[in-house]
Amino acid sequence: SQQGEEDPQALSIQEGENATMNCSYKTSINNLQWYRQNSGRGLVHLILIRSNEREKHSGRLRVTLDTSKKSSSLLITASRAADTASYFCATDAQGGNTGKLIFGQGTTLQVKP
Amino acid sequence: DVKVTQSSRYLVKRTGEKVFLECVQDMDHENMFWYRQDPGLGLRLIYFSYDVKMKEKGDIPEGYSVSREKKERFSLILESASTNQTSMYLCASSSPGRQLPGSYTFGSGTRLTVV
Repeated sequence: SQQGEEDPQALSIQEGENATMNCSYKTSINNLQWYRQNSGRGLVHLILIRSNEREKHSGRLRVTLDTSKKSSSLLITASRAADTASYFCATDAQGGNTGKLIFGQGTTLQVKP
Repeated sequence: DVKVTQSSRYLVKRTGEKVFLECVQDMDHENMFWYRQDPGLGLRLIYFSYDVKMKEKGDIPEGYSVSREKKERFSLILESASTNQTSMYLCASSSPGRQLPGSYTFGSGTRLTVV
């Protein structure tokens, strides 16, 4: 059951450029979360945005949420080679208060030095 | 630093073996989850648990079982390992808190190869 789907699947940019990744989902949500995964490792939580929020910032990360379009975007500004990783969005399962997340398939970001 | 610890980073097992993947968290989290991650398929939920001795099936429970005898430990069991269970296995925990669902803390993953 696919809830979140990221776009693009892969992104390659130069260091210093901005990277934008998008996530679309299907059902109503309580919140939407973004995670990062370095190659061969576990996922790390980056940021959580609630359904009643439209934008949130954390350092070089900016997340927007448009519940009318059921979409979110993650912007990484002034990218660094160390930002190279896969990025996943995650949302509730069927919008219920279950604590259970469904993850998209991720966007693979490569930042070239 | 809070942690979710998976007992093995790499594991090689033979077809038909019973395999135990262990996960321990030190955050007193109520919720624990097992996912498997495969190229092109993303993360798929195998089993989860909201409390001690409680378990619920996820999207792909076939061929797996779990055990949660203590709050901090959630074990994934492959009853009879098969080659199609070769995968990266990720354990995660979360606390319900005031924001549902809460954020997950993941372990580093166990890459299991069944030969």
